[in-house]
Amino acid sequence: EDQVTQSPEALRLQEGESSSLNCSYTVSGLRGLFWYRQDPGKGPEFLFTLYSAGEEKEKERLKATLTKKESFLHITAPKPEDSATYLCAVQVYGNKLVFGAGTILRVKS
Amino acid sequence: DAGVIQSPRHEVTEMGQEVTLRCKPISGHDYLFWYRQTMMRGLELLIYFNNNVPIDDSGMPEDRFSAKMPNASFSTLKIQPSEPRDSAVYFCASSWEGAFNNEQFFGPGTRLTVL
Repeated sequence: EDQVTQSPEALRLQEGESSSLNCSYTVSGLRGLFWYRQDPGKGPEFLFTLYSAGEEKEKERLKATLTKKESFLHITAPKPEDSATYLCAVQVYGNKLVFGAGTILRVKS
Repeated sequence: DAGVIQSPRHEVTEMGQEVTLRCKPISGHDYLFWYRQTMMRGLELLIYFNNNVPIDDSGMPEDRFSAKMPNASFSTLKIQPSEPRDSAVYFCASSWEGAFNNEQFFGPGTRLTVL
């Protein structure tokens, strides 16, 4: 069965304190790995797609990396506006995405 | 473009009633997805369409759930009869086949409460 596990479940950071979120996966055939951000009361918002091990993508303070078994979302010098739930998802066949439970990030000023 | 539009935004109904959720995808998108999000199970894909044709409905929980896409600009998700365990936030998302990053655009969701 395809599984996506995210850790930690919740993370509290001080403004400027860099950290990483983890997404490990067990799938029969990875076609793509996605990171989304979700703010309270809103739908998920796309951040990155990674297709192969060794690939990296960056956007402002965020950088996503991918290995054969896991992905990391690195947050450098976070700001309070980076507070959100970060969701990882894998595309296993067709256009079906399997999502992890998410990491709730809180950045305090 | 206004993005993916969902209605209603909130729905409160009583057990046994029929519930219909509506979605208008982004113009030009050829994929439409229905998801359900709960605290216990997270975000789950229920069904998705390609060019108005259902492709994968393996996530539809049971026969009480049905989805249709009569044209490229409209889709419905119906629950009949509704049960308290159907309470969740239902999201509609759309995407375009030619997108390099395969990005799905999500709507604001419909929060369903079944009493």
